[in-house]
Amino acid sequence: DGGITQSPKYLFRKEGQNVTLSCEQNLNHDAMYWYRQDPGQGLRLIYYSQIVNDFQKGDIAEGYSVSREKKESFPLTVTSAQKNPTAFYLCASSAPVAGLKPEAFFGQGTRLTVV
Amino acid sequence: AQSVTQPDIHITVSEGASLELRCNYSYGATPYLFWYVQSPGQGLQLLLKYFSGDTLVQGIKGFEAEFKRSQSSFNLRKPSVHWSDAAEYFCAVVPGNTPLVFGKGTRLSVIA
Repeated sequence: DGGITQSPKYLFRKEGQNVTLSCEQNLNHDAMYWYRQDPGQGLRLIYYSQIVNDFQKGDIAEGYSVSREKKESFPLTVTSAQKNPTAFYLCASSAPVAGLKPEAFFGQGTRLTVV
Repeated sequence: AQSVTQPDIHITVSEGASLELRCNYSYGATPYLFWYVQSPGQGLQLLLKYFSGDTLVQGIKGFEAEFKRSQSSFNLRKPSVHWSDAAEYFCAVVPGNTPLVFGKGTRLSVIA
């Protein structure tokens, strides 16, 4: 089945460590996104990529980094510079707007906890 | 900047009662509009979407939404709520060739 796979589902990190969250999609979508979710805050955009080897900062990119070397993959690294990284992270993908299918499809999320 | 407002943080309804979740957006032109649902600890599932045409759109699980340009609204409705509808609901817009912008969500509780 086509879809978006995020791993791991739960992740624990010690303060000062970098950690990478995986996101893979087999929907053949060009665009991929990372959102952060905190209680009462909705979803806030961290980074997005509309094509391989290109990505843009979202609203809360500080302390995060991404790469887009393959169409299927869009990993997110939470660096030690992120002051409050404990959150639920959601990856999504969508087809280009020109295809009139701009709705995003979401993975099941990764819950990151800093200990 | 484009924004989405969901005025109700938390709504409680009785099982079998009707439901309306409110959503207002701020954008100059007509954006693409969406409603998503999220169960605890899960990803988001698309309920329905509006691009153009008929302003009343039908979605999955018996939900519908009505686009009202004059009010910049896209409210979600269901005539009879089931206990399994308890979840968090997000309204979102795509204002052109940019990523989804989400509201802060409305948590729905269903009581017997």
